[in-house]
Amino acid sequence: DTEVTQTPKHLVMGMTNKKSLKCEQHMGHRAMYWYKQKAKKPPELMFVYSYEKLSINESVPSRFSPECPNSSLLNLHLHALQPEDSALYLCASSQDPGGLAYNEQFFGPGTRLTVL
Amino acid sequence: GIQVEQSPPDLILQEGANSTLRCNFSDSVNNLQWFHQNPWGQLINLFYIPSGTKQNGRLSATTVATERYSLLYISSSQTTDSGVYFCAVEHSAGSSNTGKLIFGQGTTLQVKP
Repeated sequence: DTEVTQTPKHLVMGMTNKKSLKCEQHMGHRAMYWYKQKAKKPPELMFVYSYEKLSINESVPSRFSPECPNSSLLNLHLHALQPEDSALYLCASSQDPGGLAYNEQFFGPGTRLTVL
Repeated sequence: GIQVEQSPPDLILQEGANSTLRCNFSDSVNNLQWFHQNPWGQLINLFYIPSGTKQNGRLSATTVATERYSLLYISSSQTTDSGVYFCAVEHSAGSSNTGKLIFGQGTTLQVKP
């Protein structure tokens, strides 16, 4: 089963709200990722978790706070977002980012976020 | 950082036609993937192909790692092939993977009936 699930599918929030995006995989993968995709642009990496530890933060503003409670779950906590943060947020997972040659990434369907 | 360039940026085909999409990258890579993004935003894995040739039905891909390019072939195109095709690479960091996928700008394909 090569499935990554994300909830919610759509989210509308105000600039003062606090919300969370959730991602789950049951493929036994040990690496999980958050990407942001603006309209008509490619996905851009935000964070990488490897073995439940944050290994890459691509200089993302602190209003985005990732969390990896266990190897199957990844959250993205959102607080005080700006309208320019409106985008499709994609979660991905892969087998093992550290050392193995095979590291194919599989993506979830995304959460479409609108910040008013 | 590594640069990934895809061509052409846009492509319009008549149903049944064949096409070739190209991906050039500027440095050595551990990982190269081709994706199809459907109109709902889902990224569908087409190929994991850091080197060599693979085929899956009407699609095939070839990566020549020494010359830093990859090609995606679509034969007998169908309207359901429409969407954006992305090439994404993971830069080599010595012998280990970083997990950091860098995407090209994509090729937007429209297949007309």
